[in-house]
Amino acid sequence: NAGVMQNPRHLVRRRGQEARLRCSPMKGHSHVYWYRQLPEEGLKFMVYLQKENIIDESGMPKERFSAEFPKEGPSILRIQQVVRGDSAAYFCASSRQGNEQFFGPGTRLTVL
Amino acid sequence: AQSVSQHNHHVILSEAASLELGCNYSYGGTVNLFWYVQYPGQHLQLLLKYFSGDPLVKGIKGFEAEFIKSKFSFNLRKPSVQWSDTAEYFCAVGVSSGSARQLTFGSGTQLTVLP
Repeated sequence: NAGVMQNPRHLVRRRGQEARLRCSPMKGHSHVYWYRQLPEEGLKFMVYLQKENIIDESGMPKERFSAEFPKEGPSILRIQQVVRGDSAAYFCASSRQGNEQFFGPGTRLTVL
Repeated sequence: AQSVSQHNHHVILSEAASLELGCNYSYGGTVNLFWYVQYPGQHLQLLLKYFSGDPLVKGIKGFEAEFIKSKFSFNLRKPSVQWSDTAEYFCAVGVSSGSARQLTFGSGTQLTVLP
């Protein structure tokens, strides 16, 4: 199965710790997107990356959040000094080009 | 910026009933439209999409949607629902403007089908 892979599926962190979420796109896909889903809400766009480039980060919080998609390896969404409000499901999607995006299973982050 | 409204937050139907879930968007330019479904414990799956052409789009599992440009709507329909259709349904809009490729999602509609 060459679907979008995300790990870990569940992540528990204490306030102030760092969270690293990984996303491996589908084979042949060079576009990666990160979305966040807060409880009782729809998915909200965070960032769009291509290999080694951040194309659109208009949905990223200004502080503590960063994303990368290196030449080799998965895309990483990094949250520094997590707070309770960061608790959410984080979804990664990938595409070849255009808007048809395929989603991974998500990482559920819980901040204690 | 575009926005998407899904008017029904929770819909409860009996098996074999007909389904229509509303979706309206606001954006003045060309859009691509999607319906995604999220079954319990699973990830988002694409039900159907509209890029151009025939405004009546057929998707998987007997679902269809109609794009009405004048109403900025893309409602999802199914003539006869099954218990296995119980899931959360998300409407999404994509625009291609410059480098933008993001999808804007509605808040979702939870569909419960009673056996």
